[in-house]
Amino acid sequence: NAGVTQTPKFRILKIGQSMTLQCAQDMNHNYMYWYRQDPGMGLKLIYYSVGAGITDKGEVPNGYNVSRSTTEDFPLRLELAAPSQTSVYFCASSYFGTGTDTQYFGPGTRLTVL
Amino acid sequence: QKEVEQDPGPLSVPEGAIVSLNCTYSNSAFQYFMWYRQYSRKGPELLMYTYSSGNKEDGRFTAQVDKSSKYISLFIRDSQPSDSATYLCAMSESARQLTFGSGTQLTVLP
Repeated sequence: NAGVTQTPKFRILKIGQSMTLQCAQDMNHNYMYWYRQDPGMGLKLIYYSVGAGITDKGEVPNGYNVSRSTTEDFPLRLELAAPSQTSVYFCASSYFGTGTDTQYFGPGTRLTVL
Repeated sequence: QKEVEQDPGPLSVPEGAIVSLNCTYSNSAFQYFMWYRQYSRKGPELLMYTYSSGNKEDGRFTAQVDKSSKYISLFIRDSQPSDSATYLCAMSESARQLTFGSGTQLTVLP
């Protein structure tokens, strides 16, 4: 199993550009999440999904959009990039059933908006 | 006031030392408590998971939760240079939507 994969690893955007951060998992997890991590800060939840076709906002959703058409994929869309969106973005997935519901994280995408 | 407070460090200890990492929180509804380890330029990985109050031990790691004081701790015994990382506490009401601390950067010196 590859686990949670994210592409690209790095990206530099100009203000006003848009891009999509890709996330995929091969663990058949039903829950998927997008977080951002700013320097010296913890992770803040942007959006999450409890299954294909179902998404909901987290703590910091403004400026982002998501979709989940399949169980495996959960892309994050940035429209009109702003310097405040410079951050490291982590995707995670978990299986909600019984038990500990551990979240597994991808390696992250480092985004700089200039 | 932040919902979860964590001393950012940095913390530097000699190899073999006992390390204590702590978080306090304000939401009394939290009942799932986790510690994640994050190596530089990597994603977080789950280290310890505790439900409600009590202690949990796994090798050199011990997690403690005191819900009455809204305080959780992670102890690392016989610390090793490979333990050098940022440690993030996380907690939730439902084990799904996590609230993270800001992380403590730990360096274990050989």
